Amino acid sequence: EPEVTQTPSHQVTQMGQEVILRCVPISNHLYFYWYRQILGQKVEFLVSFYNNEISEKSEIFDDQFSVERPDGSNFTLKIRSTKLEDSAMYFCASGKEGQSNSPLHFGNGTRLTVT
Amino acid sequence: TQLLEQSPQFLSIQEGENLTVYCNSSSVFSSLQWYRQEPGEGPVLLVTVVTGGEVKKLKRLTFQFGDARKDSSLHITAAQPGDTGLYLCAGVGSSNTGKLIFGQGTTLQVKP
Repeated sequence: EPEVTQTPSHQVTQMGQEVILRCVPISNHLYFYWYRQILGQKVEFLVSFYNNEISEKSEIFDDQFSVERPDGSNFTLKIRSTKLEDSAMYFCASGKEGQSNSPLHFGNGTRLTVT
Repeated sequence: TQLLEQSPQFLSIQEGENLTVYCNSSSVFSSLQWYRQEPGEGPVLLVTVVTGGEVKKLKRLTFQFGDARKDSSLHITAAQPGDTGLYLCAGVGSSNTGKLIFGQGTTLQVKP
């Protein structure tokens, strides 16, 4: 069964550094998402992406964050200048449709540790 | 702002017992999804409920969507150690982007 793949599985970076988290969504999916999960807290929506543009973003997704789908295959999340509080699991998800009964498929996440 | 409150947050039971996890909101959701998440992995969809009052069964798991589409429950009958894991409810937001709003999750431990 096709799956969403994320790389790297674990990224350690120093505060202030830029990081790029990579995702390969399922090939025939059109809707793409990033979520994050700080240790011990709920999964939080960051951003949704459709038709090569952001369709919705949360308050967390400030100017330090950006997303890109550079080649029709990869979907990336960039954090320009990481902060300690950016340490979390970051999950990419994709869906065939953006409708209420369309399931999302999640990757296994990238654990980002900012030191 | 749409919020989902999930309870209980932790549940430790003996094999063979029944349990129910609740997911409540003051907001109406167009649909609600239940996920299971294993350590080190992403959430995996178990079921989607769409219609108010809908009941879906997945082997020993029964999912119900409230009549007003503001709440949902997951009932597990005769729990087994293999049911141990984190269960998440997630409502589809009202913005039509497919965004999910997650509850806090319920960590279930089933002891043999």
